[in-house]
Amino acid sequence: QKEVEQDPGPLSVPEGAIVSLNCTYSNSAFQYFMWYRQYSRKGPELLMYTYSSGNKEDGRFTAQVDKSSKYISLFIRDSQPSDSATYLCAMSAMVSNFGNEKLTFGTGTRLTIIP
Amino acid sequence: EAGVVQSPRYKIIEKKQPVAFWCNPISGHNTLYWYLQNLGQGPELLIRYENEEAVDDSQLPKDRFSAERLKGVDSTLKIQPAELGDSAVYLCASSSGDTIYFGEGSWLTVV
Repeated sequence: QKEVEQDPGPLSVPEGAIVSLNCTYSNSAFQYFMWYRQYSRKGPELLMYTYSSGNKEDGRFTAQVDKSSKYISLFIRDSQPSDSATYLCAMSAMVSNFGNEKLTFGTGTRLTIIP
Repeated sequence: EAGVVQSPRYKIIEKKQPVAFWCNPISGHNTLYWYLQNLGQGPELLIRYENEEAVDDSQLPKDRFSAERLKGVDSTLKIQPAELGDSAVYLCASSSGDTIYFGEGSWLTVV
C-alpha cells in the first residue's frame, strides 16, 4: 500500500462547478501538506501549502487538512478551463534548517474543465 | 526572481548511451532535489543535497546514476548507461524553507 493515495481520475466537470480533489495517507508523521498543479509538459507548480490540520483559502482555492482522518482536500470554486491540469497532493514529515526533507506525492488527479 | 532552471528540456538517446541533466536552483536555496516522474505517477525523490552534501541518496540507483553539486549551487544528474526503463521526466527542485519549487523538468526518451 502506498503512503499517499490519490484517485487518478480523469475528472471532468463543467465550467463554473466546484471541484473537490482528495488524498488519503497512512503516515501519521506527515505534518506539512501541499497541492501542486502540473500542466502538460511542465513542472509541478506549488498551489497551496498547509501546516498541520485546518483550512487555508487563497482566492478560488481552499485546502483542508484533517489529520485525525488522514485526509486532505483541495476545493476549486468557479472552475475555469485554465484550471485543466493534473493536481498532485504532496506531504512531508520533517523540515530541517535547510528546508523540507522529502515530499511524498500522490499519483495526481487529471482534471478537465469543460467550457 | 528566476525559478529553477533545467536543461536540456528534451533529450532522445539510444539505450546504453550516457546522458546528463543540469540544474540551476533558485538563488539562495541551499537544498536541492532531483525527482523522477514516470508517466501517470507522482514525482519520487532520487537525491537531496544540503549545500554540496548529498544527505539522502537512498533512492538513487547507484549502479548507473550519479549526481554532483559542486560549490553548493548547480547540480548535474548523470545516467550511464541509459536503459529503456529510464524514459521519464527528471525534475530538479530547490528549497530554503518548508516549500519546494520545481523546474520545468528534463524529458528523457530512451529508444
